[in-house]
Amino acid sequence: AQSVTQLGSHVSVSEGALVLLRCNYSSSVPPYLFWYVQYPNQGLQLLLKYTTGATLVKGINGFEAEFKKSETSFHLTKPSAHMSDAAEYFCAVSEPDSWGKFQFGAGTQVVVTP
Amino acid sequence: DAGITQSPRHKVTETGTPVTLRCHQTENHRYMYWYRQDPGHGLRLIHYSYGVKDTDKGEVSDGYSVSRSKTEDFLLTLESATSSQTSVYFCAARGTGASYEQYFGPGTRLTVT
Repeated sequence: AQSVTQLGSHVSVSEGALVLLRCNYSSSVPPYLFWYVQYPNQGLQLLLKYTTGATLVKGINGFEAEFKKSETSFHLTKPSAHMSDAAEYFCAVSEPDSWGKFQFGAGTQVVVTP
Repeated sequence: DAGITQSPRHKVTETGTPVTLRCHQTENHRYMYWYRQDPGHGLRLIHYSYGVKDTDKGEVSDGYSVSRSKTEDFLLTLESATSSQTSVYFCAARGTGASYEQYFGPGTRLTVT
């Protein structure tokens, strides 16, 4: 069975500093990987995804993530945090041929300080 | 928002009462999902559908049932609500193409008193 671990339930970063959110997974087959963002009282919005091809993927709002198969990781980064990045971030994994079902991590709340 | 709406958006109900949440999508997506979101647990899959009248259980399906009689509607029913079912419920949908991502509705906040 697959599982997803997000290291750190809360992360505080200064405006302009690097944002790094960690995601590790376990899966019996190479999975599809996703990062979603959730703003207060809203649904989830896709930031980026990895399915096949280039392992460094770029998403919206200046975020990017790198799939490292050997480390079973898919960490999310942004070089310079903005106040608008304050939100909760979820890593999700889907195994091929699983009806598209997602396994989510527990989420990481990002706080951006001036 | 990929054309996904949920109703109601907020509901307060009493223990033991039945509750039905509705998810409606306008994009003709084949796959639909119901999740619940609780602090410290992320989102957990309750039930999913891979076509009209084709549904299956997720990891936290006890106490919930679903129905999908039309492509656009996916209903989640709590037959007899309990306080442990107080949560935020999200519906999601996905097409059959190679994009694989799910599109989420705005959520329903359910409180069982």
